[in-house]
Amino acid sequence: NAGVTQTPKFRVLKTGQSMTLLCAQDMNHEYMYWYRQDPGMGLRLIHYSVGEGTTAKGEVPDGYNVSRLKKQNFLLGLESAAPSQTSVYFCASSRLLAPSYNEQFFGPGTRLTVL
Amino acid sequence: RKEVEQDPGPFNVPEGATVAFNCTYSNSASQSFFWYRQDCRKEPKLLMSVYSSGNEDGRFTAQLNRASQYISLLIRDSKLSDSATYLCVVSMNNNAGNMLTFGGGTRLMVKP
Repeated sequence: NAGVTQTPKFRVLKTGQSMTLLCAQDMNHEYMYWYRQDPGMGLRLIHYSVGEGTTAKGEVPDGYNVSRLKKQNFLLGLESAAPSQTSVYFCASSRLLAPSYNEQFFGPGTRLTVL
Repeated sequence: RKEVEQDPGPFNVPEGATVAFNCTYSNSASQSFFWYRQDCRKEPKLLMSVYSSGNEDGRFTAQLNRASQYISLLIRDSKLSDSATYLCVVSMNNNAGNMLTFGGGTRLMVKP
């Protein structure tokens, strides 16, 4: 049981390049999330998904797109990378058990640098 | 104003010391509260939930004051392994997607 995995772990891009970050979870969780973490800012939600085939915007969605074609995978795309997108990106997942909160489980993160 | 505010620290304490962190949140509709721990260059992990009645888990005690919109974490008998960043987190149970709002974190360094 690997939990939440992310690929790649590190990446350096040039301004204007595109890339896709992959998140996979093997816990059969309904909810998945993409966050970015910048120094002193805490984690900020980029996009999230409440189930296969559904996505929604979070706090800072501009410049990113997402897709959830399979329940276990959540992809984050940068179509035209900008230096402001240099950050650590975390994926997370949680179960669906309304109305109580359920713990979010995080992947190890992807460190992205945009030059 | 940030939705969840924490003193970034660092808090430098000797082994065996007691240390307390505080956190304030701005949204009075928040219903669930948590402390997450994040080690250097690692992912956040749930440390403990925070209940209105207060709760304790070993050396860790969490308190919630809804009237003042204030959350605290107390660590007794600090260990070197407690060195980490502690994230205060709030959630509104009725929001679609079980979303969390994170504070910026408080860094703790426990010295020998």
